[in-house]
Amino acid sequence: EVQLVESGGGLVKPGGSLRLSCAASGFTFSSYNMNWVRQAPGKGLEWVSSISSSSSYIYYADSVQGRFTISRDNAKNSLNLQMNSLRAEDTAVYYCARGLEMATSRNWFDPWGQGTLVTVSS
Amino acid sequence: DIQMTQSPSSLSASVGDRVTITCRASQSINNYLNWYQQKPGKAPNLLIHTASSLQSGVPSRFSGSGSGTDFTLTISSLQPEDFATYYCQQSYTTPLTFGGGTKVEIK
Repeated sequence: EVQLVESGGGLVKPGGSLRLSCAASGFTFSSYNMNWVRQAPGKGLEWVSSISSSSSYIYYADSVQGRFTISRDNAKNSLNLQMNSLRAEDTAVYYCARGLEMATSRNWFDPWGQGTLVTVSS
Repeated sequence: DIQMTQSPSSLSASVGDRVTITCRASQSINNYLNWYQQKPGKAPNLLIHTASSLQSGVPSRFSGSGSGTDFTLTISSLQPEDFATYYCQQSYTTPLTFGGGTKVEIK
């Protein structure tokens, strides 16, 4: 069974940092693009970042460019999101989601993890 | 950025009804359009990719159509478990963008 489990969320002060992780199992992690998508409380979905299978291609939303860094460790089947200079508007549930098994930015997301809540507040 | 506009933002329907949700892109995205269902407190679930391809395991009452800028998601006969929020997403180009969502409620 394909499974994605996020961790690392919590309460952080504005300007602070947090590192999210996503543990993958049930598929050949190193073959797939991976993504982060977030959802602010009561709001819609917002794509955050994508990384190709070999980390050759990385994309960010403008809202997080320069503050967030996506990375992956294919040996550990792990996806990460380092979040720096956090703002109140970064408060959201962050989902890890699998993309496609090819070198493309044209990903749809399937499946998704259960999400981890990040709250940025003083 | 490509803007995705869904309509309606919410609707009320009864079990057995045929439901149609529309998604419009601000520019042509060919058929790079995907649909998700999200229930309260849960992660989204992929229903349809590339406009009309039903994801494995998704009931056949769900269907998608369209190309270019205009797309529809149709539920042929609404079931109790279908009451949820539905999102479209374009995968034509980054930034990947979602529609604002359509909440399907019980009439």
